Amino acid sequence: AQKITQTQPGMFVQEKEAVTLDCTYDTSDPSYGLFWYKQPSSGEMIFLIYQGSYDQQNATEGRYSLNFQKARKSANLVISASQLGDSAMYFCAMREGREDSWGKLQFGAGTQVVVTP
Amino acid sequence: SQTIHQWPATLVQPVGSPLSLECTVEGTSNPNLYWYRQAAGRGLQLLFYSVGIGQISSEVPQNLSASRPQDRQFILSSKKLLLSDSGFYLCAWSHPGEGAGSPLHFGNGTRLTVT
Repeated sequence: AQKITQTQPGMFVQEKEAVTLDCTYDTSDPSYGLFWYKQPSSGEMIFLIYQGSYDQQNATEGRYSLNFQKARKSANLVISASQLGDSAMYFCAMREGREDSWGKLQFGAGTQVVVTP
Repeated sequence: SQTIHQWPATLVQPVGSPLSLECTVEGTSNPNLYWYRQAAGRGLQLLFYSVGIGQISSEVPQNLSASRPQDRQFILSSKKLLLSDSGFYLCAWSHPGEGAGSPLHFGNGTRLTVT
């Protein structure tokens, strides 16, 4: 079963505007971590932000913030003041905390973001 | 600081030929190591992971194999490539024992085309 769902295959956003990328997840493990990665056209995967299941506050890293709604199992990424360099594929990922998960990340299908001038 | 090196960056191989992709990590000890594959326009699929030398776990049964001959070296191999093996292969590492919060750090990837 799909554990990470990203329902937006692609989005256009104007420069300097904010954009929200949706991510929902499915787990019965009380301990888990949620990650967002950026993949530019060059292919490298760049770690952006992390949210732990027990964290009380939403994570923020510069222009990136994570809107964590635990009851809804949602972990949306918000990029503020979009820049042309933000054009990339964005992946949501989850790691479950139980021993047999071995620290593996499970990825969603990704959302392609295009920032226009 | 830690760095991860993955090579080659691109590779074109005929069907039936062997494959060897190499990944090394510097600046950390006993990392967890991973091989992921990304098909065109899709998300990442975990192929193999390793928590120590000689310890390899396979996630997806296929004609690929992995080995970890040294602490910070991870190799992805195949004896005979299939057309379906084409894709973007990413090596990654994470700190051991940090639980759910430890992010994966990726190499730059290898774009493999099987012809």
